[in-house]
Amino acid sequence: DAGVIQSPRHEVTEMGQEVTLRCKPISGHDYLFWYRQTMMRGLELLIYFNNNVPIDDSGMPEDRFSAKMPNASFSTLKIQPSEPRDSAVYFCASSPIRTGANVLTFGAGSRLTVL
Amino acid sequence: KQEVTQIPAALSVPEGENLVLNCSFTDSAIYNLQWFRQDPGKGLTSLLLIQSSQREQTSGRLNASLDKSSGRSTLYIAASQPGDSATYLCAVRYTGGFKTIFGAGTRLFVKA
Repeated sequence: DAGVIQSPRHEVTEMGQEVTLRCKPISGHDYLFWYRQTMMRGLELLIYFNNNVPIDDSGMPEDRFSAKMPNASFSTLKIQPSEPRDSAVYFCASSPIRTGANVLTFGAGSRLTVL
Repeated sequence: KQEVTQIPAALSVPEGENLVLNCSFTDSAIYNLQWFRQDPGKGLTSLLLIQSSQREQTSGRLNASLDKSSGRSTLYIAASQPGDSATYLCAVRYTGGFKTIFGAGTRLFVKA
């Protein structure tokens, strides 16, 4: 398996623009997580899904943020409109939940810069 | 509120020293605990995972322990090397939804 795939790896955009980050989890993983990492706040859990259904979105900072998982192999995190304070590295991670097989695996991250 | 705390925030040691990184968590209803390594500007690499029913896990020079009753985990690194320099993160996965919360990490620097 190629692991968790995220795109784009780097995104530079101007304030007010829409940003869409994409994630392909590892096949067969039931859970998908979106995290945001900044120097000030560390790794924050934004939202996570189980079998494509959002379970907890309490970490989503504002209504400008939205996430979807239309099928088991694809998820998006959208920011509209973007602001400079959204600049961060966004990580996607997935895991199965099975006895003896529940390691959380991360993608390489998407580094977002909002000017 | 479920929280994960890591102490110390930063650590600098000479090469060859044995060291211990600490992770504490509130709410003992955990499913598992995972230790990660992150190099500057890079993603997270899983080091060890301890199931809630286990007391410890070992991989090479790394040993992680778990004490659910006291809400603590430690990562022991034996005979540290400059290549061990990185940030080490503890992640706690809770039951009842499998939410996974990270500590702020311990930044380790091993001097040659």
